[in-house]
Amino acid sequence: KAGVTQTPRYLIKTRGQQVTLSCSPISGHRSVSWYQQTPGQGLQFLFEYFSETQRNKGNFPGRFSGRQFSNSRSEMNVSTLELGDSALYLCASSLIIGGALPNEQFFGPGTRLTVL
Amino acid sequence: AQSVTQPDIHITVSEGASLELRCNYSYGATPYLFWYVQSPGQGLQLLLKYFSGDTLVQGIKGFEAEFKRSQSSFNLRKPSVHWSDAAEYFCAVGARGSQGNLIFGKGTKLSVKP
Repeated sequence: KAGVTQTPRYLIKTRGQQVTLSCSPISGHRSVSWYQQTPGQGLQFLFEYFSETQRNKGNFPGRFSGRQFSNSRSEMNVSTLELGDSALYLCASSLIIGGALPNEQFFGPGTRLTVL
Repeated sequence: AQSVTQPDIHITVSEGASLELRCNYSYGATPYLFWYVQSPGQGLQLLLKYFSGDTLVQGIKGFEAEFKRSQSSFNLRKPSVHWSDAAEYFCAVGARGSQGNLIFGKGTKLSVKP
């Protein structure tokens, strides 16, 4: 079974631009979470989507948004890029099997965003 | 608020030596705990997880972790380190009712000396 794929793997943008990152979860997985990883702040949760609905959201400004499609693929968008948005953006998918317990998350390789 | 602390930023061990990576969590209810490993340029791979039951959890690649509620700890161990274990290790806590949101520690980078 193919793993989580993220495109593009590398991206260079300039301040003020916007960017869209894509994530394809493992087949059958309906939950997709996004994380930002930086050397200073570490791994921080951005948001989680399940069945095309945002279920949880981290403490990020409204410039960060996302969506999920009916096939569970997800995109995240960052508008008006700032230098501090340079980071590795990781997507993780999980198979929701019911109940309220956390599920194992399978991570993609990430998209390395550099903002100049 | 939930939080995870990994006190050691960087650890160096000799190949064949034992390893223990420390993790302390802060969470008001039953924690759901994870250890992930990240190799350079890669995403995170789950090593093991603890939800309930036996407090000693076995994972992949010969790793194990022990949950100690009294110490709010979930330390990762390996009896004999291999050069391929050099990577960054992250401890994380998940919350009931918040399935897609893991709180991660800042990570411990492991270097292995030949």
